[in-house]
Amino acid sequence: AQSVTQLGSHVSVSEGALVLLRCNYSSSVPPYLFWYVQYPNQGLQLLLKYTSAATLVKGINGFEAEFKKSETSFHLTKPSAHMSDAAEYFCAVSVAGKLTFGKGITLSVRP
Amino acid sequence: NAGVMQNPRHLVRRRGQEARLRCSPMKGHSHVYWYRQLPEEGLKFMVYLQKENIIDESGMPKERFSAEFPKEGPSILRIQQVVRGDSAAYFCASSPWDRANTEAFFGQGTRLTVV
Repeated sequence: AQSVTQLGSHVSVSEGALVLLRCNYSSSVPPYLFWYVQYPNQGLQLLLKYTSAATLVKGINGFEAEFKKSETSFHLTKPSAHMSDAAEYFCAVSVAGKLTFGKGITLSVRP
Repeated sequence: NAGVMQNPRHLVRRRGQEARLRCSPMKGHSHVYWYRQLPEEGLKFMVYLQKENIIDESGMPKERFSAEFPKEGPSILRIQQVVRGDSAAYFCASSPWDRANTEAFFGQGTRLTVV
């Protein structure tokens, strides 16, 4: 069975500050890992994915994530937050086509 | 190439009525997934379908819920005799047959409100 843990439900940063959203996973098989972003009343947009190639994955909007097998982690980072980054972020693991999501983290960006 | 299309975007039903949610996958995608997002609970997998086949329905409630993906037409998630607890956002995702594990594109969702 697989699971995803996203610690904390809310992160607040200042505009221009580093964004770090944490994700730890558990999977019985080598995982495919994803980060999705959801804006209010919208669907989920794929930010980036890890599919067993490079461990440092670059995504859209300046986000990146690093797969660390020893730590079972896939933390999402962005060097400089922008106001438009305010949204809810979901980490997910895929096994046999089925996505298991974390509970999500709401990112707020202060001017 | 249009994305995953879901309709309606918003649906209001009285307790005891039926709700039918539609999902048209992206062109060329033969796999469809349904997820439910309840307040404070995140997204939960419901069912995974290919054309005319249910592959995995381990997340579907045992009663009142059903899903299909016919040879022609959209995938349908059907909820019979809705109750207040069915109020949620329902999302559909699709992927190509050869990248089912690595690509899933989501629709905008249907927000069901049961009154």
